[in-house]
Amino acid sequence: RKEVEQDPGPFNVPEGATVAFNCTYSNSASQSFFWYRQDCRKEPKLLMSVYSSGNEDGRFTAQLNRASQYISLLIRDSKLSDSATYLCVVNGETSGTYKYIFGTGTRLKVLA
Amino acid sequence: EAQVTQNPRYLITVTGKKLTVTCSQNMNHEYMSWYRQDPGLGLRQIYYSMNVEVTDKGDVPEGYKVSRKEKRNFPLILESPSPNQTSLYFCASSLRSRTSRLSGELFFGEGSRLTVL
Repeated sequence: RKEVEQDPGPFNVPEGATVAFNCTYSNSASQSFFWYRQDCRKEPKLLMSVYSSGNEDGRFTAQLNRASQYISLLIRDSKLSDSATYLCVVNGETSGTYKYIFGTGTRLKVLA
Repeated sequence: EAQVTQNPRYLITVTGKKLTVTCSQNMNHEYMSWYRQDPGLGLRQIYYSMNVEVTDKGDVPEGYKVSRKEKRNFPLILESPSPNQTSLYFCASSLRSRTSRLSGELFFGEGSRLTVL
């Protein structure tokens, strides 16, 4: 089982739609959780950190469920510019070392 | 401007010709790391460094070397490149918290696209 798993998609949605991505992680000792956005052939950039109580940033809402070991990202009122790959990133301890572990990403295409 | 700078951004080389990809950050970050990204495999960690003179293997270290002589620099060395090292490489850095746990944002360089013929 992969340490961090995401549905690769692609998710093709019309402009204005609401779309949700989930990500599961295997290490229950994981400490920090993030969603990154990556445009084609570009570097990943932080979209938002995910806090235990859930957090919102404009049209984006992130949730963490420690009991079920998954995090989610909800995008409301999708824009064409939201088209990208969304990476789930988990930070936790493995063999005494803290490291960032990346999911393979979920591709989103927002269609006009 | 806070940034991570990688060079070269693009490189085509031949099998066996040693090369170095430089990485420099100006944010005084303790943690630095190299990743490679290949289609369908996502980002895989090659090496990382928790601080000066402290480096360790990631998930795919074979064929690579690193050094951390200064806090700001973390070069990636391919002693004898092979075609299976053709990939997109990212350097990243992060601040360590007081508890020595990595909880902060990872800042990425723009990437180095390497082709080994």
